[in-house]
Amino acid sequence: ERVMTQSPATLFVSPGERATLYCRASQNVSSDLAWYQQKPGQVPRLLIYGAFTRATGIPARFSGSGSGTESTLTISSLQSEDFAVYYCQQYNNWPPAFGQGTKVEIK
Amino acid sequence: EVQLVESGGGLVKPGGSLRLSCAASGFTFSSHSMNWVRQAPGKGLEWISSISGSSTYIYYADSVKGRFTISRDNAKNSLYLQMNSLRAEDTAVYYCARVPVTYGYYFDYWGQGALVTVSS
Repeated sequence: ERVMTQSPATLFVSPGERATLYCRASQNVSSDLAWYQQKPGQVPRLLIYGAFTRATGIPARFSGSGSGTESTLTISSLQSEDFAVYYCQQYNNWPPAFGQGTKVEIK
Repeated sequence: EVQLVESGGGLVKPGGSLRLSCAASGFTFSSHSMNWVRQAPGKGLEWISSISGSSTYIYYADSVKGRFTISRDNAKNSLYLQMNSLRAEDTAVYYCARVPVTYGYYFDYWGQGALVTVSS
């Protein structure tokens, strides 16, 4: 079973700045990695799958990279609507497993 | 438009039972594996169960195995979760979530969630 560890737990960023979120897998997950965004009181939304492919309707400021045990979600220029919790999820190995989340807060 | 609408949540006593439903529309339901993912208050996401399109393959997380039963009715475009022997730690919002038909077991659409509270 893969264990997913996200860092940092909380990231303080000013609007317009770049945010970089990390996701580490306990074992190789190749590029079978997805990222989700969840705003307070809302449903998780798929952002990225296959480590770097943006889901339908996701703005280009969101980008994913990495493979193996290390993946990264980058938000190039934070907008007010991007302050949320972000989760990574691996699907290379059963069962699918989520990280514990990174909360992006206003600095 | 893909829609997933859960129902059946509520307050139940420890040891009790509850059945969640998820009504799907806007896609060919029988072509997709479906899942239940839960989120305890203030906590992260936890996958708990999945069922393939034809119900051939069914899986559970260890935390619910033996107590929860997932099922589906493709004629009714509906997904279900029968929850028995409920515990306080099962208190969570329960989401039904779809897996795309292409490669990859990630969740491309989610329902709005059903709150289950287990308390005496």
